[in-house]
Amino acid sequence: QKEVEQNSGPLSVPEGAIASLNCTYSDRGSQSFFWYRQYSGKSPELIMSIYSNGDKEDGRFTAQLNKASQYVSLLIRDSQPSDSATYLCAVGGKLIFGQGTELSVKP
Amino acid sequence: GAVVSQHPSRVICKSGTSVKIECRSLDFQATTMFWYRQFPKQSLMLMATSNEGSKATYEQGVEKDKFLINHASLTLSTLTVTSAHPEDSSFYICSASIFPGGHQETQYFGPGTRLLVL
Repeated sequence: QKEVEQNSGPLSVPEGAIASLNCTYSDRGSQSFFWYRQYSGKSPELIMSIYSNGDKEDGRFTAQLNKASQYVSLLIRDSQPSDSATYLCAVGGKLIFGQGTELSVKP
Repeated sequence: GAVVSQHPSRVICKSGTSVKIECRSLDFQATTMFWYRQFPKQSLMLMATSNEGSKATYEQGVEKDKFLINHASLTLSTLTVTSAHPEDSSFYICSASIFPGGHQETQYFGPGTRLLVL
């Protein structure tokens, strides 16, 4: 059974801080990794994809992948209240989702 | 780019009726389309995978005779919930996948359809 685990939330950070979201996966053969953001009552929105070990930056978002440790993370710098949402880690082409981490950014 | 639409966004129906949900990829031809269901406070649950011109592949526990999927073209897939019952009330979300810039398959989600069966 392929599994994706995310750190349990909710995660609360003050505005302007760095939010760190973590995810581990069980299938060592996985090649693609995604972070989706889901606002309450809305569908998931792709915010980052990563395929190679290391860091990938896009604006305030940085995804980190370590295939040896089967670990992927998402850092959100200068967190804003508008970042408050559930963040879903997903692995593979046919996505296996984690349970999501709810992030709350307090003004 | 990579915009996926769904229609309707919200539907209320009586128990026993059928409801059709459309999913369209607006600016790309999708390799594959997926249908998910999400209950409150839970993660997405994959229901089925469909490719144009082929029968959909359903996940274990999903009744294929109840959730009919038609994938008429590379840009359109439909999900019909037949003889809907209150327990079918949920948030139904489709996604369409492409291989952007030669990278791995990536799914883009539609806005979802909220179904309420009375």
